[in-house]
Amino acid sequence: GAVVSQHPSRVICKSGTSVKIECRSLDFQATTMFWYRQFPKQSLMLMATSNEGSKATYEQGVEKDKFLINHASLTLSTLTVTSAHPEDSSFYICSARERGFYGYTFGSGTRLTVV
Amino acid sequence: QKEVEQDPGPLSVPEGAIVSLNCTYSNSAFQYFMWYRQYSRKGPELLMYTYSSGNKEDGRFTAQVDKSSKYISLFIRDSQPSDSATYLCAMSRGNNRLAFGKGNQVVVIP
Repeated sequence: GAVVSQHPSRVICKSGTSVKIECRSLDFQATTMFWYRQFPKQSLMLMATSNEGSKATYEQGVEKDKFLINHASLTLSTLTVTSAHPEDSSFYICSARERGFYGYTFGSGTRLTVV
Repeated sequence: QKEVEQDPGPLSVPEGAIVSLNCTYSNSAFQYFMWYRQYSRKGPELLMYTYSSGNKEDGRFTAQVDKSSKYISLFIRDSQPSDSATYLCAMSRGNNRLAFGKGNQVVVIP
């Protein structure tokens, strides 16, 4: 089945620094990838949708300049949390959709802790 | 009214019991229906995927979709401790958006 690889699984960074999270579709081409944020015991909150070769579409309330998304190829999307602050600490999850299939595949998630 | 309603109350069952989960929704345009299993500190894993109304079975899992009632269900037979996880329903109109339920935490007691 479709596999989405997400790295790193866990990262701790200092306040004010930037962190990059990678999301790769391993065995299919993903024209569209999605980035979610999940708070403890809550459902997933869509942050942005990224299409290969074009700018990401951000959900209302998500800061574009803080959460930079790049979808440079059909198999790779990255999320960079810039100038991270403790309130950015969260669980970030990417997902990808294979063309013609609406069962989205999720990565394993990245737990970001900003100290 | 939220697009997808899933009673988030935790569910504890003894090993071997049938687990029954359900979601209701308000948008009749939803066509694709999914159930995801999420273990703690992991991303959701696609368990069942159905298109339109009907039943689908995969091993111990059965998914049911009743579009006329806007109601979907997931049944887990012969539940195992390894089934202990949060189960999320999700659905799509066929565009690039997924609507999620809040998730049900299931605990299977040995």
